[in-house]
Amino acid sequence: EAGVAQSPRYKIIEKRQSVAFWCNPISGHATLYWYQQILGQGPKLLIQFQNNGVVDDSQLPKDRFSAERLKGVDSTLKIQPAKLEDSAVYLCASSPGANTQYFGPGTRLTVL
Amino acid sequence: LAKTTQPISMDSYEGQEVNITCSHNNIATNDYITWYQQFPSQGPRFIIQGYKTKVTNEVASLFIPADRKSSTLSLPRVSLSDTAVYYCLVGDWGYSTLTFGKGTMLLVSP
Repeated sequence: EAGVAQSPRYKIIEKRQSVAFWCNPISGHATLYWYQQILGQGPKLLIQFQNNGVVDDSQLPKDRFSAERLKGVDSTLKIQPAKLEDSAVYLCASSPGANTQYFGPGTRLTVL
Repeated sequence: LAKTTQPISMDSYEGQEVNITCSHNNIATNDYITWYQQFPSQGPRFIIQGYKTKVTNEVASLFIPADRKSSTLSLPRVSLSDTAVYYCLVGDWGYSTLTFGKGTMLLVSP
């Protein structure tokens, strides 16, 4: 069974630039999550989708971050404009339910 | 959301059994306990999940006392490849939001 796919794996941008990350969840998983993991810390949930609807985006900095999950499958997370403190690994996870989440390899973002 | 507390780090040697305890004093009736493992440059990986008593799979065992205010992840005969960060999370059965803490950094030495 294919796992959660994410791209790109690495991205380096300058502050105030825009960046987008893509996630393809495991087939059939209705729930999709985006997390931000800063070095030395645990993952922090940014947004949770159930199919193509948002369940929780309370920790998403909506002034600069946006996410969508059109058609309830793939998802895109965008940052516009990026700040230095956005440097982190962005993890996508999917779940068939019951709190068992399957994580992708992540995208490491460096903002200069 | 139930908050969890676990040691920041633990050290062990190859072949030893490692027990990592997590405190979750305000766990709710509907909450399950889930442990994840994370290697550097990888996303967290599900290890084990339980509600009460004991759960065992091919990787680990999870011990949960009757009051469910804590849980212990047991890794039998660890190897160098078990060096990782281990996260304890609690959340209800379904689609509730899970909150990761800082986890426990386990270092296994030869």
